[in-house]
Amino acid sequence: IQMTQSPSTLAASVGDRVAITCRASQSIVGWLAWFQQKPGQPPRRLIYKSSNLESGVPSRFSGSGSGTEFTLTISSLEPDDFATYYCQQYNSLWTFGQGTKVAIK
Amino acid sequence: QVQLVESGGGVVQPGRTLRLSCAASGFRFNTYGMHWVRQAPGKGLEWVAVIWFDGSKKYYADSFQGRFTISRDNSKNTLYLQMNSPRAEDTAVYYCVRGEEVYGDYGKGFDYWGQGTLVTVSS
Repeated sequence: IQMTQSPSTLAASVGDRVAITCRASQSIVGWLAWFQQKPGQPPRRLIYKSSNLESGVPSRFSGSGSGTEFTLTISSLEPDDFATYYCQQYNSLWTFGQGTKVAIK
Repeated sequence: QVQLVESGGGVVQPGRTLRLSCAASGFRFNTYGMHWVRQAPGKGLEWVAVIWFDGSKKYYADSFQGRFTISRDNSKNTLYLQMNSPRAEDTAVYYCVRGEEVYGDYGKGFDYWGQGTLVTVSS
């Protein structure tokens, strides 16, 4: 299963609402996770099963979608949120999207 | 607290064998599936392989089938990845990642990651 994220890069300002899309090449039902990665660090899981927020993750992060189209939304961007985000499907083995870098505008 | 500590990385010549290890602590290792994920310099995440909690099943991404071998020793709480005949394109940080709990609610894996170990394949 191929996972395609869009956009690949996103320039935004603190306080902006940001949305990242992830499309699967076939239905993955709701078996999708989102990760955040900062330089020099391992990824951190934010969302699992499409919309379940990981414990300790701020509520400004939310996930939605099912089937083949999914969205990670950050309601109001904070300075700590500038990072690269990956989606991952686990309906059939495991596959990551290519990543979306959220940069400062 | 859950800890995953990878070791065994370094510089390896093409065609040689390298074995990575991941020491796990802070949870019941023998009830969790475990994964390896890698990240080439400046690139994205790539899933490598998974091993079931008891070692009974192993799955690999197509790129690694027949070249890499995942294994575990539950008596030592340790996960392994043997890299046979590595190529320059296998240069990457290799992460050990906790997977699904055998008795748990499916879909909660990949919750803990190690810091990674860098493998550089070069002559």
